[in-house]
Amino acid sequence: EPEVTQTPSHQVTQMGQEVILRCVPISNHLYFYWYRQILGQKVEFLVSFYNNEISEKSEIFDDQFSVERPDGSNFTLKIRSTKLEDSAMYFCASSESGGLGQPQHFGDGTRLSIL
Amino acid sequence: GENVEQHPSTLSVQEGDSAVIKCTYSDSASNYFPWYKQELGKRPQLIIDIRSNVGEKKDQRIAVTLNKTAKHFSLHITETQPEDSAVYFCAAPRDYGGSQGNLIFGKGTKLSVKP
Repeated sequence: EPEVTQTPSHQVTQMGQEVILRCVPISNHLYFYWYRQILGQKVEFLVSFYNNEISEKSEIFDDQFSVERPDGSNFTLKIRSTKLEDSAMYFCASSESGGLGQPQHFGDGTRLSIL
Repeated sequence: GENVEQHPSTLSVQEGDSAVIKCTYSDSASNYFPWYKQELGKRPQLIIDIRSNVGEKKDQRIAVTLNKTAKHFSLHITETQPEDSAVYFCAAPRDYGGSQGNLIFGKGTKLSVKP
């Protein structure tokens, strides 16, 4: 069964540094998402992406965040200047189509630790 | 915007018993309600979902019921097994008036099944 894959599985970074988290969505999926989960808390929506542009973003997704689809397979989340509170698990998800009612499939996540 | 409340936060049952987790939502326009299972350190895994044109859906030992009038939906697990132990999240679409179906998650229920 096709899966969403994410790399790295764990990223440790000094505060203030830039990080790039990578995702390869399921190949025939067209809608991509980033979510984050602070340890012990619920999953929170960050951003959705379709047709090479951001569709929607949450209040968490401020100017230090950006997303990109640099080629036909990768989907990246960049955090420009990391803060301690950015420490969390970041999940990429994809769905075959968008709109209400479309199942989203999650990757295994990247655990981001900011020191 | 949508708000999702989930109860209980923890649930402990004996193996073979049933488990029920309940969620309420606020946006009457929501029409898709997925349930995710997350084992420790793993990805949220879609286990069942329901659309608002049906009141109940079953998949082996798992069922989901939806009451649109009351705006609540429930996950039912029968004949629980130790491997059902995990955190379960309900979700509903976060609709800004757009169509991307980004998800708002409940806070999760930690289910423990004791042998």
